[in-house]
Amino acid sequence: GENVEQHPSTLSVQEGDSAVIKCTYSDSASNYFPWYKQELGKGPQLIIDIRSNVGEKKDQRIAVTLNKTAKHFSLHITETQPEDSAVYFCAAKRGTSYGKLTFGQGTILTVHP
Amino acid sequence: DGGITQSPKYLFRKEGQNVTLSCEQNLNHDAMYWYRQDPGQGLRLIYYSQIVNDFQKGDIAEGYSVSREKKESFPLTVTSAQKNPTAFYLCASSTRDLGANVLTFGAGSRLTVL
Repeated sequence: GENVEQHPSTLSVQEGDSAVIKCTYSDSASNYFPWYKQELGKGPQLIIDIRSNVGEKKDQRIAVTLNKTAKHFSLHITETQPEDSAVYFCAAKRGTSYGKLTFGQGTILTVHP
Repeated sequence: DGGITQSPKYLFRKEGQNVTLSCEQNLNHDAMYWYRQDPGQGLRLIYYSQIVNDFQKGDIAEGYSVSREKKESFPLTVTSAQKNPTAFYLCASSTRDLGANVLTFGAGSRLTVL
């Protein structure tokens, strides 16, 4: 089955700095890669996703890049703000599989004012 | 407002007891999922259901059971056979799509075994 590795497990930055979280996946048939943000006491929420036919996608301060050859994808947050502090999860899914997302281990991001 | 409701938010159980976690959605989603969250291990899939009266084991189904008698409801029973049940449990739902699957999560239920 699919295996998703996520690094780092914790990340601490100063407000205004950039943050990068990286994930690698094992199943070359995976073609959908979402990122979820989980705030304290809440369930995860989708913040951005990318499909395998695209190399990069941006949404304001958030971007995701995908390298299919190397089987890794990354989340980039620019101009970080304290409200970006949360746990971030990457995930991967095969196109032949209904809804069966495999998640990474999570990254605790702390943005210091 | 549409969403997913999980109850109870906190639950305490003695060893040897079964407990059932409730999950209800009003999003008209066909698919529903149960994930377990442990520190440092991410979200692991317990069971999922793509349609009513059908469900599939996920990666860590041992010691758990589910039912899907109604589209809106997908309760999870943590049985006494589950060796380490203390965890945070998340229910989610989505449309039934081979492509992008946007999961909508509930706020979670925290189970503690005393």
